[in-house]
Amino acid sequence: DIQLTQSPSSLSASVGDRVTISCQANQYIKNYLNWYQQKPGKAPRLLIYDVSNLKTGVPSRFSGSGSGTDFTFTINNLQPEDIATYYCQQYDDRLSLTFGGGTKVEIK
Amino acid sequence: EVQLVQSGAEVKKPGESLKISCIGSGYSFSRYWIGWLRQRPGKGLEWLGIIWPGDSETRYSPSLQGQVSISADKSLSAAYVQLNSLKASDTAMYYCARQDSGTYSGAFDIWGQGTMVTVSS
Repeated sequence: DIQLTQSPSSLSASVGDRVTISCQANQYIKNYLNWYQQKPGKAPRLLIYDVSNLKTGVPSRFSGSGSGTDFTFTINNLQPEDIATYYCQQYDDRLSLTFGGGTKVEIK
Repeated sequence: EVQLVQSGAEVKKPGESLKISCIGSGYSFSRYWIGWLRQRPGKGLEWLGIIWPGDSETRYSPSLQGQVSISADKSLSAAYVQLNSLKASDTAMYYCARQDSGTYSGAFDIWGQGTMVTVSS
């Protein structure tokens, strides 16, 4: 099974900071990598699909990059409303779909 | 508006069975994969399986095969997940989500509101 390791598991940053989250796969996953935001008590929300594509309506301060086994999610100019847990997710032709363990982002 | 609406919260005893529904509207329900996922309290997201409502082709997470059953009724724009022989460890929020066919990675672009399942004696 493909496993995704996210780091850090939590972070604290100031408003206006740049935040970076890493997601590492234990094997090659092409560009089948997505990022979600989940706020407490809410369903996840898709932010980035296929590694680096911003979903319509998502603020441009969110971005994704990477390839192969190493992927990065970035929030530029962190805002108070970005407080949430972020998950990466991979998909392997419907035979394997897994999520990273999540990164909780808090305001310092 | 494109949306998925799930059935309400459930409280069950160990050993009982449960079936959760997910009704889609605002789009062609038969033409998108619907996934089922769960999230145990304070934990991350876990994929249970996925179904194509057009012909009910289904794939399951290898780690949960046999523990859950996913079905659909395209005439009702509905998908279902059934859990049998419930255990305390099945206590979780259960989500359905639509898989975006316009992405290579099958991202889940529309989510249901979630159904809280509590298993307790």
